[in-house]
Amino acid sequence: GAVVSQHPSRVICKSGTSVKIECRSLDFQATTMFWYRQFPKQSLMLMATSNEGSKATYEQGVEKDKFLINHASLTLSTLTVTSAHPEDSSFYICSPQRGGRSEQFFGPGTRLTVL
Amino acid sequence: GQSLEQPSEVTAVEGAIVQINCTYQTSGFYGLSWYQQHDGGAPTFLSYNALDGLEETGRFSSFLSRSDSYGYLLLQELQMKDSASYFCGIQTGANNLFFGTGTRLTVIP
Repeated sequence: GAVVSQHPSRVICKSGTSVKIECRSLDFQATTMFWYRQFPKQSLMLMATSNEGSKATYEQGVEKDKFLINHASLTLSTLTVTSAHPEDSSFYICSPQRGGRSEQFFGPGTRLTVL
Repeated sequence: GQSLEQPSEVTAVEGAIVQINCTYQTSGFYGLSWYQQHDGGAPTFLSYNALDGLEETGRFSSFLSRSDSYGYLLLQELQMKDSASYFCGIQTGANNLFFGTGTRLTVIP
């Protein structure tokens, strides 16, 4: 399988601050990165899809100005939650895509708690 | 858009067989995947069906009927460690993976 890392694994922040989450694919180059959000006991919801070097495509209902995604290289993508609020508290999971593969790999996730 | 439906909870006895169904609606379909997720962890890949029929991988099998927009995951010889949430996911044209609501499987002794 692929090796995917996310940092930090857990973060607690105050309301109104911004939080950056890093996702790295350590043993392959990811042309596409998916970002998911999962609330407790719920499914993984796709937030956005980004391709290296281009702007991300956001799913309906996801604010692009609030969730900034940067996919500057084939091994690194970042998700920045700007002006975080308690309702943004969730489990954020990245998934780098190997081209043409049916199997999708996921990072270990980042649990964000906004106070 | 896409929609997927799965039972929310299933309980089964250790050593038994359990089937988790998934029905879906989508305008673009490339395949149906199954993922396992333990509490607090990331999803891990179990199987993928692009064509109709049954795919077997050890104790786990997955079935797809594209004409019925239906699939299932079959788990045999259940073990306690199989207690987890199981998600079906459909892969659309852009390789996006959309997940179902998840089925929480509890294996009891």
